[in-house]
Order: sequence, then C-alpha cells, then structure tokens
Amino acid sequence: QVQLQESGPGLVKPSGTLSLTCTVSGGSISSGNWWSWVRQPPGKGLEWIGEIYHSGSTNYNPSLKSRVTILVDKSNNHFSLKLTSVTAADTAVYYCARALAVGSRDWFDPWGQGTLVTVSS
Amino acid sequence: EVVLTQSPATLSLSPGERATLSCRASQIVSSYFAWYQQKPGQAPRLLIYDASKRATGIPARFSGSWSGTDFTLTISSLEPEDFAVYYCQQRSNSPWTFGQGTKVEIK
Repeated sequence: QVQLQESGPGLVKPSGTLSLTCTVSGGSISSGNWWSWVRQPPGKGLEWIGEIYHSGSTNYNPSLKSRVTILVDKSNNHFSLKLTSVTAADTAVYYCARALAVGSRDWFDPWGQGTLVTVSS
Repeated sequence: EVVLTQSPATLSLSPGERATLSCRASQIVSSYFAWYQQKPGQAPRLLIYDASKRATGIPARFSGSWSGTDFTLTISSLEPEDFAVYYCQQRSNSPWTFGQGTKVEIK
C-alpha cells in the first residue's frame, strides 16, 4: 500500500527557508490524487498548508500562501514544501499526506509519520 | 474560512462506555466532512469520511452522523486502543480546516 515519508532539516534559523520532501512509495504520485502538507505545532491542533495535483496544479491556505511553494517531482515520485521567512510560530511537526479520492471528496489518507521542524537560532 | 468547533475538549470515560463527540461547522459543509484519530507520537488516521462512511479497516464501533452543521462521532463501546485525540475536518470550502480536537481519556 502507499506509504509516505518526510525528510529534511530539523532545525531552521529565523527568517530562513524551511524545505521538506515527501517520498511516496508503494504507488505512483501520478495516480490522480492531490498530495498535501499539514502541520501541527507542539501540543496543538492541525493546520492544512496546501496541496498539489500530479499535473502541478496547487491549492494553498491563504494564511500561508505568500510564503509557501509546493512542487511535484514525478520522475522521483516525491513532492516538496518550501516555506520562506520562517519564525518561531512555524515550529511544528510537518506531515505529508495523500488526499485520497474516495466517496464525494478527497480525504487525507494515508499520512507520513511526520517530522519536527524547529525554528531557532 | 469554515471554523469547526469541537466539544467537549476532553471526555473522560471508562472502557466499555459509549463516547459521543461533537463538531459544529460555522457554515453549511454538506456531508463533506471527516473524522481522524491521533494517538501520541503518531500521525492522524482517517476514521470516517463523507460524514458517515467508515474508512477501510475501521471497526464498526465507530460511526458518524450529521444534521445541518452539527456532526457527531460515536464510539459505541470504548476499547483500550480508542483513547486518543479525535479531529474533525471539512472539505467543502477551501482552505480545508480542522477542529481543535477532543481528547478521549481513561477515567
């Protein structure tokens, strides 16, 4: 079955750029699903960041849109997240997830295990 | 943006008891609604989608229902592995949003 794995630096300096990659295994990223990023600050709830279709179409959360770029790399079966001008408020566990087309909409399933990114000097 | 308000924040119950979790949407989202379970140190897991359909492999003790903008997740008889945090989520209007979570803890 499809599995996702996040990778990238666990520490980013304030005002820097957070860069993460999500590698998809057990299935093709070109399979017709949206591929998403969701984050969770320590001890808090979930926030959807944005998503990308295999064609390259994107959909971002307006609260982060000015700082977010999500790209897809079909040849390597992965997609990526870049978040610029980070502050301590961006410290969170970052999850990648497939938005599975089932029923009437697309639902987050499965999720990667998550990776903690800390913004600190 | 659709705001999802979950209640209660914490539910203290014993194994075998029935759990009823609520989520209210700030506007109509139809049935474009899901529930996720998250255990400590783990990623969320999809339980219910389209407001009332169980995801693959989810036990029958989990059920979802809705009326208007009010959504309910019911766990008919709590098993030890069900003590976790539960999140609701809507996929009617972008940005997709989550509730703040309900923690089901052992009494």
